[in-house]
Amino acid sequence: DAKTTQPPSMDCAEGRAANLPCNHSTISGNEYVYWYRQIHSQGPQYIIHGLKNNETNEMASLIITEDRKSSTLILPHATLRDTAVYYCIVRNSWGKLQFGAGTQVVVTP
Amino acid sequence: DSGVTQTPKHLITATGQRVTLRCSPRSGDLSVYWYQQSLDQGLQFLIQYYNGEERAKGNILERFSAQQFPDLHSELNLSSLELGDSALYFCASSVLGTGANVLTFGAGSRLTVL
Repeated sequence: DAKTTQPPSMDCAEGRAANLPCNHSTISGNEYVYWYRQIHSQGPQYIIHGLKNNETNEMASLIITEDRKSSTLILPHATLRDTAVYYCIVRNSWGKLQFGAGTQVVVTP
Repeated sequence: DSGVTQTPKHLITATGQRVTLRCSPRSGDLSVYWYQQSLDQGLQFLIQYYNGEERAKGNILERFSAQQFPDLHSELNLSSLELGDSALYFCASSVLGTGANVLTFGAGSRLTVL
């Protein structure tokens, strides 16, 4: 499975959009991009995933570049409850879901 | 509630002991995954089962073992416990084999070894 690179931390103001970048330059054609988050010591929570096209759901939007080598998770209106570690993971359907260090996002009032 | 049930939520035991952690997957999910999260390390994949069969192995110690039963619940057995085994243990489940294979995680079992 391809590895990902994420910034270790970022701050975001409450009510503003949070844009979380992820680089995955070695991604293969059959690998999806997944985003999960973990709020302090809780179980990781699935946010969104995509293969080639941009995706949106009730939680977030996922923008994948045309060459698929990077992506951005967008939280449109960050709230204090969005403070968490966000993980970007790439894998195929059968691969292991391996977590890296993720990005610690702190939403401030 | 994610639909993945883990018991017990908290467990305190002594070094050298053996414990069993239990996981009930979401209804309809055939695959179960176990992860360990200790303070100094991130989420480490341990093992995956699919419909009763071991499918993938990660950094699981020989002192640890797991199985998935016919009713699809899974147990993670930790023996000869050491202080370093103190961690959060998460179970996840998925349908598997249907495209993106999204995992749903339980709330975890916190193990403290004294």
